[in-house]
Order: sequence, then structure tokens, then C-alpha cells
Amino acid sequence: EPEVTQTPSHQVTQMGQEVILRCVPISNHLYFYWYRQILGQKVEFLVSFYNNEISEKSEIFDDQFSVERPDGSNFTLKIRSTKLEDSAMYFCASYKGGADTQYFGPGTRLTVL
Amino acid sequence: AQSVSQHNHHVILSEAASLELGCNYSYGGTVNLFWYVQYPGQHLQLLLKYFSGDPLVKGIKGFEAEFIKSKFSFNLRKPSVQWSDTAEYFCAVNRGATSGTYKYIFGTGTRLKVLA
Repeated sequence: EPEVTQTPSHQVTQMGQEVILRCVPISNHLYFYWYRQILGQKVEFLVSFYNNEISEKSEIFDDQFSVERPDGSNFTLKIRSTKLEDSAMYFCASYKGGADTQYFGPGTRLTVL
Repeated sequence: AQSVSQHNHHVILSEAASLELGCNYSYGGTVNLFWYVQYPGQHLQLLLKYFSGDPLVKGIKGFEAEFIKSKFSFNLRKPSVQWSDTAEYFCAVNRGATSGTYKYIFGTGTRLKVLA
């Protein structure tokens, strides 16, 4: 069964550094998402991406965040200057459309020191 | 703002006990409803979904859920839990085509521990 993959599984960075989280969605899917889960809290929507552009973003997704689908297979989330409060598990998801569901990757745990 | 509530944050059961996890949502329009499970160290996996039709939906691993529109609820049930059901369970809602993006709004999750 096809699955969404994410790398790295764990990223540790210093505050103020840039990080790029990578995702490979399922190949025939059209919608792509990033969610995050701060430890002990619920999974929160960050951004959705469709037709090579952002279709919706949450209040969390400020100017420090950006997404790209550079080569038609990878889907990346960049945080330009990480803050302590960016420490969380980041999940990528993809969705084919119609009466289907989103498929989630295993997550990247980001730790900002 | 739309929200999803899961009232049970931690549940501890013995094997063979019955399970019901509550989920309520606040949005009044057409919704699609989902339950996902996250086993320790693994990614979110779909247990079941409701889009339309029979409000009682059956999912994998013996789970089922009932959509009660008048109560804005989508509770998850299993008649007899097993030790292997120990996991975190998330209810999620989206507004389907109305939202344009099909984004999910998640509940806070329920950690289930099943004692052998």
C-alpha cells in the first residue's frame, strides 16, 4: 500500500536556525498538508497546498513558515528562524480528493534548543 | 470557530471491556467525520470515516462509530478491547467541498490504555 514518508524522523536545532522538513506524498494525490502537534496538545492544521499554491493557512503559519513542492514529488516545510515554541511533531498528509481520506506520514519530531 | 471535543483524555480499561470514546463537533453544516488511531511510535492510521448514508459505520479492528447529527456527535465504540488497542485515538472533522481545502480539525485525542 502506498504511504506518505517524512524525513528526518527527528531534527534537533538551535533557536534561530532554519530547518526544512521533507515529505514525499502519495504519487497520485492532489492535496498536501502540514499539521503539527505540540507535546500533550491536539493536532493543529498549519497549511494546505493544491495546484502548486497555498490554498489555506492557519494563524500559526506566519512569515517564518513556507512550503514548496519543488520537483513534483517532495513537499517541504521550511521554518526560517526557529523558536522554542516551534518544538513539536510535524505531520505531512496527502489526499487524492473525493470520498477519500487524508493519509498521514509518520511525523518529524522537531526539537528547538 | 469550528472545534472538535473529545471529553475523555485518558481511559484505562481491562481486556474484554467495552469502549466508548466521545467526540462532539461544533460546525452546523455538512461535515465528514473520521477516527484515527496512533499506536506508540507510529503514524496516524484511519480507523473509520463517515461521509453520508448509514450513520453507523464500521471500521477496521472491530471498531464502529455512530453519527448522531442532532447531537453533533460521532462516538467511537468497540464491544471488547484488546491489549493491542492501547493507543491514542483522534476524532477529526472536515467540511468537505465547502471548505475547499478539506483540512481536518482534530480533537485533543484520547489515550487508551488496555490492561492485560
